[in-house]
Amino acid sequence: GQNIDQPTEMTATEGAIVQINCTYQTSGFNGLFWYQQHAGEAPTFLSYNVLDGLEEKGRFSSFLSRSKGYSYLLLKELQMKDSASYLCAVMDSNYQLIWGAGTKLIIKP
Amino acid sequence: IAGITQAPTSQILAAGRRMTLRCTQDMRHNAMYWYRQDLGLGLRLIHYSNTAGTTGKGEVPDGYSVSRANTDDFPLTLASAVPSQTSVYFCASSDSGPGLDYNEQFFGPGTRLTVL
Repeated sequence: GQNIDQPTEMTATEGAIVQINCTYQTSGFNGLFWYQQHAGEAPTFLSYNVLDGLEEKGRFSSFLSRSKGYSYLLLKELQMKDSASYLCAVMDSNYQLIWGAGTKLIIKP
Repeated sequence: IAGITQAPTSQILAAGRRMTLRCTQDMRHNAMYWYRQDLGLGLRLIHYSNTAGTTGKGEVPDGYSVSRANTDDFPLTLASAVPSQTSVYFCASSDSGPGLDYNEQFFGPGTRLTVL
């Protein structure tokens, strides 16, 4: 079966750094996505990785290791507005997205 | 219209009733998708359409049907609603289908459906 695992909830302090991990087992791999979803809102795209390594985009970075079936999202200089759920999704061999349940990130002052 | 719109925003429905959730996009995207999101579970694909005139089944299609008569609209119909269909429903679209680099999906604001 296909499976995406990520922690249910994490807590971090404003101004700090947090790493959200995602491991996956899917039938085929055509890229990994990270989305942000604020409570009661729609998911919005953050990043895409298809090759191994780190992709940096401002305060957010995403890493991929295909051999390990592993990715992480790194958020730096945390702000209160970063309180949200972060969704990991893998595009399988049928080009469909398989989604993790999401990690709820709580930012404390 | 800018992006994707969904209607209604929320709905309470009696079991056994028929309901159509509407989705319209103005980005001329080829592909469209319907997901449901339930607490503790990831987004689950119900149905999708890679281009106007074609549709496909996702992970949880039972009890739902879709049509894609044109590029912009992708309605989702519950023929006879049951309480297990209580969920938040998201419509999404993307610029490309299989075989191209990647297709970032853009999501509508969601419809919160309660079936009693």
